Amino acid sequence: AQSVTQLDSHVSVSEGTPVLLRCNYSSSYSPSLFWYVQHPNKGLQLLLKYTSAATLVKGINGFEAEFKKSETSFHLTKPSAHMSDAAEYFCVVRIPSNTGKLIFGQGTTLQVKP
Amino acid sequence: DTAVSQTPKYLVTQMGNDKSIKCEQNLGHDTMYWYKQDSKKFLKIMFSYNNKELIINETVPNRFSPKSPDKAHLNLHINSLELGDSAVYFCASSQEDRVGTEAFFGQGTRLTVV
Repeated sequence: AQSVTQLDSHVSVSEGTPVLLRCNYSSSYSPSLFWYVQHPNKGLQLLLKYTSAATLVKGINGFEAEFKKSETSFHLTKPSAHMSDAAEYFCVVRIPSNTGKLIFGQGTTLQVKP
Repeated sequence: DTAVSQTPKYLVTQMGNDKSIKCEQNLGHDTMYWYKQDSKKFLKIMFSYNNKELIINETVPNRFSPKSPDKAHLNLHINSLELGDSAVYFCASSQEDRVGTEAFFGQGTRLTVV
């Protein structure tokens, strides 16, 4: 069965410092993995996705994630946090079938302090 | 142009009422979804339609009835609303014949049942 675990429910960083949001997945198949961001009272926006090509994936707004099969991880990083990065982040795995079903992690709230 | 649009954005209603949420996508995708986000921000799939055919129905009370008049629209009708139905409902779409395709989400409908 597919599942996703986000290891931190809340991460707080200072502006200009690195961001690390951790995600572990469980999948019986070669997974497709995504990171989505949700700003307050907004919809979900795709940050980046992994689909069995390059293991280091670059996304929007300076975010990137590395797929590590041996560790079943897909951690999200950014070298320098900006105030506008404060939001809820979701790690997501896609069920490999024609249903398109997405399994969401519990979410990580990123707080950026000035 | 908005890719996935839902209306209304906010919906406040009394227990026992019947209400509908509408969703439209202009991306030409063949699959549409409804997701529910609870008060702890956890997201879970409710329904999936592929080419107007119901593909996923995830243990949702039968008070919830999705309707897809065409590939570009997926509406959600809720009968006899209960307090526990209060949540944010997200519509999404994707093209399922593309490997690793991501889902595009609407802005969400915040439903409050009083």
